[in-house]
Amino acid sequence: DTGVSQDPRHKITKRGQNVTFRCDPISEHNRLYWYRQTLGQGPEFLTYFQNEAQLEKSRLLSDRFSAERPKGSFSTLEIQRTEQGDSAMYLCASSLSGRKNEQFFGPGTRLTVL
Amino acid sequence: AQKITQTQPGMFVQEKEAVTLDCTYDTSDQSYGLFWYKQPSSGEMIFLIYQGSYDEQNATEGRYSLNFQKARKSANLVISASQLGDSAMYFCAMREGFGFQKLVFGTGTRLLVSP
Repeated sequence: DTGVSQDPRHKITKRGQNVTFRCDPISEHNRLYWYRQTLGQGPEFLTYFQNEAQLEKSRLLSDRFSAERPKGSFSTLEIQRTEQGDSAMYLCASSLSGRKNEQFFGPGTRLTVL
Repeated sequence: AQKITQTQPGMFVQEKEAVTLDCTYDTSDQSYGLFWYKQPSSGEMIFLIYQGSYDEQNATEGRYSLNFQKARKSANLVISASQLGDSAMYFCAMREGFGFQKLVFGTGTRLLVSP
């Protein structure tokens, strides 16, 4: 399978714990994005990388959130001191620079904070 | 103000019929892109079709076409010959401005295709 992959697919954690998610983009894609989707809503942009550089960050990305893409390939999203409001689907997408620049999404990681 | 508005929370269509899903957008940029994604119950977002603001022709991809009316700021998705597998959430999204990459999504329309 050469699509975007995410790990884990589901994560249940207790409030206050730290969690880390991984995203592996389509191999030739230089851009990588993180979105968050809550029930009944469309995805909301969190952050974007071009190669290893983090170029855009949403105001939604509080100090408790950090994302990295150390070698310009896979990316991690860490949430520290999780809160119940962090419960959501975390979606990763990747794209190749170009006019259309369509983003291809992974299956998502569903986070439940108890 | 909402950047992307999808006014139809749910739509029903019979198999083999055509259906139009509405999307209006709000931007002051001249350069922008419009996208439609499908999200089945499995959760994965599937890219369907793209329309650039400078594209003169309406985009088409197989059974999907985009009815782009720039002056009205609408980008409706038309699905022809609906199939049972088309039942899903459909999201309209916009990338606005030059050099910005984030997509802004609407709240989606749930499409149910009946036999």
